[in-house]
Amino acid sequence: EVQLLESGGGLVQPGGSLRLSCAASEFTFSSYAMSWVRQAPGKGLEWVSGISGSGGSTYYADSVKGRFTISRDNSKNTLYLQVNSLRVEDTAVYFCAGVPGRLHWGNGMDVWGQGTTVTVSS
Amino acid sequence: QSALTQPASVSGSPGQSITISCTGTSSDVGSYNLVSWYQHHPGKAPKLMIYEGSKRPSRISNRFSGSKSGNTASLTLSGLQAEDEADYYCCSYASSGTLVFGGGTKVTVL
Repeated sequence: EVQLLESGGGLVQPGGSLRLSCAASEFTFSSYAMSWVRQAPGKGLEWVSGISGSGGSTYYADSVKGRFTISRDNSKNTLYLQVNSLRVEDTAVYFCAGVPGRLHWGNGMDVWGQGTTVTVSS
Repeated sequence: QSALTQPASVSGSPGQSITISCTGTSSDVGSYNLVSWYQHHPGKAPKLMIYEGSKRPSRISNRFSGSKSGNTASLTLSGLQAEDEADYYCCSYASSGTLVFGGGTKVTVL
């Protein structure tokens, strides 16, 4: 079964850092463009960052640019999101999601994980 | 990049059809055939329902259909069923090289 499994969330103080991971299984991970999408409590979905299948191209929402870094290790079938300088408003469930390589990276994300929770609070 | 505009809620009776609108600008919805729609049951992973504005993944029922006119995309649910009750989000690629979601629409089956 195609699967994405996020980990690395937790409680962190404002200004702190975390590294989120997303482990892929049962599909050709390197052929998928990947994104991180978050949902703050009581709010809607918000796209955070994206990366091409090779890792050579990365994309960020203005709200996280300069603070978050997306990367991937195709040899380990794993996607990462380094989140630095965390703010209270970054509190959310963070999902990883993938787009098949035959499609534009900004196209429909048809593989999703269950999410990992990041809570930023003092 | 501002969020796409969706109605906060839409409701219908079983068997009826409903349509959810998603209004953007000429910098996103209006310029690209890259609008997707997601169904999200709280606490679960979102599910892709429509991509490229009107295409359905093979596993998705043909009760779901998508369209676009100008800066507005739409998702139609036909033959409404109790299991369709969920939050629905549109998403578009934007000229800034980013993705933008709509605020979400809560669908209630009466």
